Amino acid sequence: AQSVAQPEDQVNVAEGNPLTVKCTYSVSGNPYLFWYVQYPNRGLQFLLKYITGDNLVKGSYGFEAEFNKSQTSFHLKKPSALVSDSALYFCAVRDQAGTALIFGKGTTLSVSS
Amino acid sequence: DTGVSQNPRHKITKRGQNVTFRCDPISEHNRLYWYRQTLGQGPEFLTYFQNEAQLEKSRLLSDRFSAERPKGSFSTLEIQRTEQGDSAMYLCASSLILTEAFFGQGTRLTVV
Repeated sequence: AQSVAQPEDQVNVAEGNPLTVKCTYSVSGNPYLFWYVQYPNRGLQFLLKYITGDNLVKGSYGFEAEFNKSQTSFHLKKPSALVSDSALYFCAVRDQAGTALIFGKGTTLSVSS
Repeated sequence: DTGVSQNPRHKITKRGQNVTFRCDPISEHNRLYWYRQTLGQGPEFLTYFQNEAQLEKSRLLSDRFSAERPKGSFSTLEIQRTEQGDSAMYLCASSLILTEAFFGQGTRLTVV
């Protein structure tokens, strides 16, 4: 069965600095990987996905993520953080057979001004 | 299309009562998922449908929980004999088979 690990409960960065939110996964076969963001009292919003192709994928709001098959990782990155990026971020995975989307426990990103 | 719609947004019920939630997915999506989320945690998979067929249920889903998706359109999630531990946000999402899922705003259940 597939699983996702987000090793950091919280990531703190200063505005303007680069940010990284880590995610590792376990899945049979090739993974389908996703990042979602959740703001307080809001639903989950899709940010970006990796299905196949280029290991660096770009998504909404200037976020990007790098797929690394050998390290089974899919870290979320942004070159310059904004205070408005402060939110809860979730990594998710499904396998090639298209089974259920499984989420990590989430990482709280806090960007200080 | 206004996205995934969930009703009600909030539900307070007494322990032991039954509750039912409704989810209306994005119309062309054939997959529909139910998740449960508690404060500060990731969404926990409960079950999913492809069209009207329920393809997978989590082992966490006790027999007090039942979900249906008649005619492959909207879905309902019923919890019988609610317990305080059932208090959570219940999220519905829909997708095409291998694409990203889009989530509704959720139904917050409080069992008192």
